[in-house]
Amino acid sequence: ETGVTQTPRHLVMGMTNKKSLKCEQHLGHNAMYWYKQSAKKPLELMFVYNFKEQTENNSVPSRFSPECPNSSHLFLHLHTLQPEDSALYLCASSQARGLAGAYNEQFFGPGTRLTVL
Amino acid sequence: AQKVTQAQTEISVVEKEDVTLDCVYETRDTTYYLFWYKQPPSGELVFLIRRNSFDEQNEISGRYSWNFQKSTSSFNFTITASQVVDSAVYFCALSGSNTGNQFYFGTGTSLTVIP
Repeated sequence: ETGVTQTPRHLVMGMTNKKSLKCEQHLGHNAMYWYKQSAKKPLELMFVYNFKEQTENNSVPSRFSPECPNSSHLFLHLHTLQPEDSALYLCASSQARGLAGAYNEQFFGPGTRLTVL
Repeated sequence: AQKVTQAQTEISVVEKEDVTLDCVYETRDTTYYLFWYKQPPSGELVFLIRRNSFDEQNEISGRYSWNFQKSTSSFNFTITASQVVDSAVYFCALSGSNTGNQFYFGTGTSLTVIP
């Protein structure tokens, strides 16, 4: 496996279900991100992890719960979602911006297309 | 405030035509980076280019070229002799010195190249 992988690629769930999205990066990066992409809207950054520590949470509802057990894996746990949460969820990774201030490009996975019924 | 505007929502061109995708940004940071990504129908965003705020030289990579102008806060992307495989959604993004690891993406421009 190379790059950034995401599973599952498609997910349909009811509002009372609990499911998890998985992301794995094979690039040796130390920062990982979750984005939400809805139609006609800019990509919305949800969470950022640097060296396994969550550094940003952009006012995301608590029904979305991230987990980063190590620098290569990132999960997004979902529970009691709403139909408006249906979207493409993208995971990305990069080298973290360190003391040198490097601005590193993010590499994206193929996304999980989530439909909430 | 950080903001990226891609005013062109959808563009259609006939194969072999040249096409320019516009990107205008707002930032108060003096140090920042600009990016372009391509999102084909498969969904994965593909990194195309990174440009820092101190380097205004235009860049060419094959059929792709980028025109960075700080005076107009623009970072436009031109595809020369377009091909059907260029059909995708293209995103411009900004990351500034005060934004941590956060990227600010535009809403994207959907490009359709007609054979």
